[in-house]
Amino acid sequence: GAGVSQSPSNKVTEKGKDVELRCDPISGHTALYWYRQRLGQGLEFLIYFQGNSAPDKSGLPSDRFSAERTGESVSTLTIQRTQQEDSAVYLCASSLDQGGEKLFFGSGTQLSVL
Amino acid sequence: GENVEQHPSTLSVQEGDSAVIKCTYSDSASNYFPWYKQELGKRPQLIIDIRSNVGEKKDQRIAVTLNKTAKHFSLHITETQPEDSAVYFCAARGGRGSTLGRLYFGRGTQLTVWP
Repeated sequence: GAGVSQSPSNKVTEKGKDVELRCDPISGHTALYWYRQRLGQGLEFLIYFQGNSAPDKSGLPSDRFSAERTGESVSTLTIQRTQQEDSAVYLCASSLDQGGEKLFFGSGTQLSVL
Repeated sequence: GENVEQHPSTLSVQEGDSAVIKCTYSDSASNYFPWYKQELGKRPQLIIDIRSNVGEKKDQRIAVTLNKTAKHFSLHITETQPEDSAVYFCAARGGRGSTLGRLYFGRGTQLTVWP
């Protein structure tokens, strides 16, 4: 596709369940970012993948959060034992090269934990 | 790490007036400053960016200024139109060590342009 694709667009889950969010970056983009956006808030950095380098996981809020990326393609963000405070929009972004320039965002996954 | 502060959190202007949003950053090594626009229910989109080797950049009705000494940068929108209504985020790229390459975002400014 032409842009960053995320799925699902909406996810409703029960507290304590695990969820997996998917991101398909733009083809050829080596950098991939996950951000969290709570209602009415800014963009909270979660994790950053750059090529074959070790990912920057310093933004993950707890060990319930993890993310993987297959080469320079698909990434999955997994949240285990979800809590109500995990409810937010999870945004994925990719860019052509390293350095955080010219990010293209996906439309996000709205996660609701009941 | 980098700390980005953005003001105001909300801004209302009359159509045709100018709007200014200001951001400050803490890391003097930061060297890249983008602005993103997020319309209601949509994804953030880059509208303009500036590197630390220039003081101003303009693109039609939008301009960004950077004061490295004071560590602040601003977004200026002239001749505002209702379609400019959105949340605007500033960001600064970390410039050293573990922050290198990361974008740190401000909390956003909700701009409303009244017709």
